[in-house]
Amino acid sequence: SQQGEEDPQALSIQEGENATMNCSYKTSINNLQWYRQNSGRGLVHLILIRSNEREKHSGRLRVTLDTSKKSSSLLITASRAADTASYFCANGMGGSEKLVFGKGTKLTVNP
Amino acid sequence: DAGVIQSPRHEVTEMGQEVTLRCKPISGHNSLFWYRQTMMRGLELLIYFNNNVPIDDSGMPEDRFSAKMPNASFSTLKIQPSEPRDSAVYFCASKRWGQQNQPQHFGDGTRLSIL
Repeated sequence: SQQGEEDPQALSIQEGENATMNCSYKTSINNLQWYRQNSGRGLVHLILIRSNEREKHSGRLRVTLDTSKKSSSLLITASRAADTASYFCANGMGGSEKLVFGKGTKLTVNP
Repeated sequence: DAGVIQSPRHEVTEMGQEVTLRCKPISGHNSLFWYRQTMMRGLELLIYFNNNVPIDDSGMPEDRFSAKMPNASFSTLKIQPSEPRDSAVYFCASKRWGQQNQPQHFGDGTRLSIL
């Protein structure tokens, strides 16, 4: 299976705290993407980091990529109750439009 | 702009019946993807199209599943005959082909229950 893995599977924190989610993948990549899924909804793209980048920021999101370890992390700073969702990483493979998704981290932010 | 539109949002039917799921991609997007999401297996790619042509159907579980894209603005995923193990949420996504560093845009899915 090419499917990656997110870690942890579930994370519960208090509002205002930071949340860190990790992702490992198995193949060589063009990019690594993070998506959010609210309950009963489709996935929404958050941020994309290219294989030649090491860190990227977008608002309260910070993503790192370590291609030597085939891993990425997503940091959400100053979390809010509205950040409660499942978060998925997906790796885009060379020469293909396909994305391989992990099984996600379920984040709960308690008010 | 309208996002990816899927219909129906929910479908409940008895095993053995034919099920047809529908998807309208974002205008101008010429890659379309069908996924299935379950608790056990996560999000699985079933098939994807570029410019209405199926490129990779290796994720289609068996011959009971078929997908078509008759034009750039419409795709269907059909299950015939349906079985209880087909119960899942089915998502459609689209993007512009050839731009690998662009994200996929997802619809809100069809929740399918086969009794």
